[in-house]
Amino acid sequence: QSVLTQPPSVSATPGQKVTISCSGSSSNIGSNSVSWYRHLPGTAPKLLIYENNKRPSGIPDRFSGSKSGTSATLAITGLQTGDEADYYCETWETNLSAGWVFGGGTKLTVL
Amino acid sequence: QVQLQESGPGLVKPSQTLSLTCTVSGSSINSDNHWWTWIRQPAGEGLQWIGRIFNTGSINYNPSLASRVSISVDTSNNQFSLKLTSVTAADTGVYYCAREYRGYDFAIDFWGQGTLVAVSS
Repeated sequence: QSVLTQPPSVSATPGQKVTISCSGSSSNIGSNSVSWYRHLPGTAPKLLIYENNKRPSGIPDRFSGSKSGTSATLAITGLQTGDEADYYCETWETNLSAGWVFGGGTKLTVL
Repeated sequence: QVQLQESGPGLVKPSQTLSLTCTVSGSSINSDNHWWTWIRQPAGEGLQWIGRIFNTGSINYNPSLASRVSISVDTSNNQFSLKLTSVTAADTGVYYCAREYRGYDFAIDFWGQGTLVAVSS
């Protein structure tokens, strides 16, 4: 059971926009910034968003992040078939079980 | 170019100790801008943070694994290592070493390719 809750799967067609939610609590998302990663099994995960809404160099502006209260959202516009992957949110948990926590992951299918 | 490479046995017997090493190139383990992290993906599950180490020797562990985990750093060889004791089949999965970057609020900017570790007799 993950501390952060993500939908197990989302789907959309090429060119559309999709959003992936990440729900936490006051001791994690509510207190700390959120990162988002894309992961294709068998490969290294890739950082898409850090500090809630910032993109590392090389990440296209089709990817955007936001945070409100104890929830965060990753949005992907202009969907491409190459965007099919698992997406994970991550933040720091500040309670007694301190440490990095990940969401359970969301599988994006581009139909 | 920053690269991280995991190495270690791909098969460990139940109750024994899993040992992995991460060799870092293109970045100094001694940097004050990075924590060095281990993450795993148990078979059929999502990503799970194991623990991390800073160049000063500061360490954080996932509380659910803390009783079995130790992480150490070898600055002379620019490596850091993971030991997980008393392994069971539940510890089977892909293990990643990674670098956290201060400029990204310690988000992970570089990952190793991952190494599959199976726990089986």
